[in-house]
Amino acid sequence: GQQVMQIPQYQHVQEGEDFTTYCNSSTTLSNIQWYKQRPGGHPVFLIQLVKSGEVKKQKRLTFQFGEAKKNSSLHITATQTTDVGTYFCAGPAAGNMLTFGGGTRLMVKP
Amino acid sequence: NAGVTQTPKFRVLKTGQSMTLLCAQDMNHEYMYWYRQDPGMGLRLIHYSVGEGTTAKGEVPDGYNVSRLKKQNFLLGLESAAPSQTSVYFCASSSTGNSNQPQHFGDGTRLSIL
Repeated sequence: GQQVMQIPQYQHVQEGEDFTTYCNSSTTLSNIQWYKQRPGGHPVFLIQLVKSGEVKKQKRLTFQFGEAKKNSSLHITATQTTDVGTYFCAGPAAGNMLTFGGGTRLMVKP
Repeated sequence: NAGVTQTPKFRVLKTGQSMTLLCAQDMNHEYMYWYRQDPGMGLRLIHYSVGEGTTAKGEVPDGYNVSRLKKQNFLLGLESAAPSQTSVYFCASSSTGNSNQPQHFGDGTRLSIL
């Protein structure tokens, strides 16, 4: 079935460095969602992208949807310790369900 | 402002025991979902419901049963627990079943099967 693959699986950064996680699909996606899960917490919806080439920003977070709508990225500028957690992308699957990527776990060294 | 509430938060079972996980949402959402989360595996859909009285299988349904007798509640049952079912279980809900609707998650149930 439909799958979305995320890379990298883990990322250690020094506080203040930038961070990017990538989400890739073998098929065209009608939309893509991003979630954040803090350690010990639950996934929380961040944003949804729908249009080809769409770019959305939330403070230091920049979300992009590829022109072909097969990939997406989340970029965090100047990471802070509050950014620690696992970031998931999710795309449409059979039956209008969501299929989640494996997630990228971000660790920030102060 | 409860959102999605899961009970219990933690549970330890012995192999072969049964238990039920409860999920309740107060947002009048039609769709509800049960996921399991294992290290490095992301979130995998177990079962879901498109409305009161309906249930359907997700990606990994074996060993689990569900019921949605009331719109606000979605129960996940393990009839005979196995160590492979040790996981963190998340319930979620969405207003509709369109994949462009955000899902709202509960805090999770951490389940260990010995």
